[in-house]
Amino acid sequence: EPEVTQTPSHQVTQMGQEVILRCVPISNHLYFYWYRQILGQKVEFLVSFYNNEISEKSEIFDDQFSVERPDGSNFTLKIRSTKLEDSAMYFCASSEGGPGGPNYGYTFGSGTRLTVV
Amino acid sequence: AQSVTQPDIHITVSEGASLELRCNYSYGATPYLFWYVQSPGQGLQLLLKYFSGDTQVQGIKGFEAEFKRSQSSFNLRKPSVHWSDAAEYFCAEGRNTGGFKTIFGAGTRLFVKA
Repeated sequence: EPEVTQTPSHQVTQMGQEVILRCVPISNHLYFYWYRQILGQKVEFLVSFYNNEISEKSEIFDDQFSVERPDGSNFTLKIRSTKLEDSAMYFCASSEGGPGGPNYGYTFGSGTRLTVV
Repeated sequence: AQSVTQPDIHITVSEGASLELRCNYSYGATPYLFWYVQSPGQGLQLLLKYFSGDTQVQGIKGFEAEFKRSQSSFNLRKPSVHWSDAAEYFCAEGRNTGGFKTIFGAGTRLFVKA
């Protein structure tokens, strides 16, 4: 069964450093997302991406965050200057179709655990 | 504001007993509703979804859900729980607001006792 692949599975970084989290969505999917889950808390929406541009972002997704689909297969989340409160599990997801369509529904990756020290 | 409420933080059921996990959504128009399951240290797996049509939805692993517009609910059920069902369950609502996003509830942790 097709999978969404995320690398690395764990990343430890120092506060103020830049990190790039990588995702390879399912190949025929068109909609891409990043979510995060702080330990023990709910899954929070960060950003959605379609047709090579951000379609929606949350208030969490401030100027420190950016997303890119550099080569048609990878989908990356960059945090420019990490803060302690950025420590969380970051999940990438993709969907073949958009809301309401028959193929709408996320496939999630296994996540990247980011620890900022 | 769009929100999803899961009133039960955790539920404990005996193996073989039936299960119902509650979910209420807030969006008044036709919602796109989902249930996901997350095992410890894992990503989220889609159990089932509802967009329109038959209000009873069948999913994977023997799970089912019923959409009730009058109650703004989308409760998840399973007739007979197995120990391997112990996990965190998230109800979610998707919406096209000009962009696309899905809002998750806070989750219900299911414990299964022998």
